[in-house]
Amino acid sequence: EPEVTQTPSHQVTQMGQEVILRCVPISNHLYFYWYRQILGQKVEFLVSFYNNEISEKSEIFDDQFSVERPDGSNFTLKIRSTKLEDSAMYFCASNDRIYYEQYFGPGTRLTVT
Amino acid sequence: GIQVEQSPPDLILQEGANSTLRCNFSDSVNNLQWFHQNPWGQLINLFYIPSGTKQNGRLSATTVATERYSLLYISSSQTTDSGVYFCAGVRTYKYIFGTGTRLKVLA
Repeated sequence: EPEVTQTPSHQVTQMGQEVILRCVPISNHLYFYWYRQILGQKVEFLVSFYNNEISEKSEIFDDQFSVERPDGSNFTLKIRSTKLEDSAMYFCASNDRIYYEQYFGPGTRLTVT
Repeated sequence: GIQVEQSPPDLILQEGANSTLRCNFSDSVNNLQWFHQNPWGQLINLFYIPSGTKQNGRLSATTVATERYSLLYISSSQTTDSGVYFCAGVRTYKYIFGTGTRLKVLA
């Protein structure tokens, strides 16, 4: 069964450094998403991406965040200058039709020291 | 924005017991999913259920979209059912998650 994959599974970085989290959505999917979950809290929406542009973003998704689909398979989330409060689990998701079931990847645990 | 409330927030069960988890939405949603977050933090998709009832083994779910709630039933619970259960509904492009029910099943 096709699945969403994410790399790395765990990344440790120093405050102020740039990080890129990578996702490979399911191949025929058209809509892509990033969510994050701070430890012990609920999952929060960051951004959705369709047709090579952002379709919706939350207030969390400020200028330090960016997303890109650099080729036909990868979908990336970049954090330009990490802060301690960016420490969280980041989930990528995809689906083939808006409003339909989203398939989540296993997550990348980001630790900012 | 839409608020998603889950109850109870915490639940402790003896192995073999049954339970019902509830998810209430403050406004209508286009679809709804239930997830189980395992101890490694992965979100396991349990049900995609915008309306009606579905069953998968010991788990079943019912969504009454007109009344803006969904229920997840766990029967004959096992220790492997422990973890956090989230419901999430979608409006526009994004899922809005509830705060979760933390379930602990004791052997």
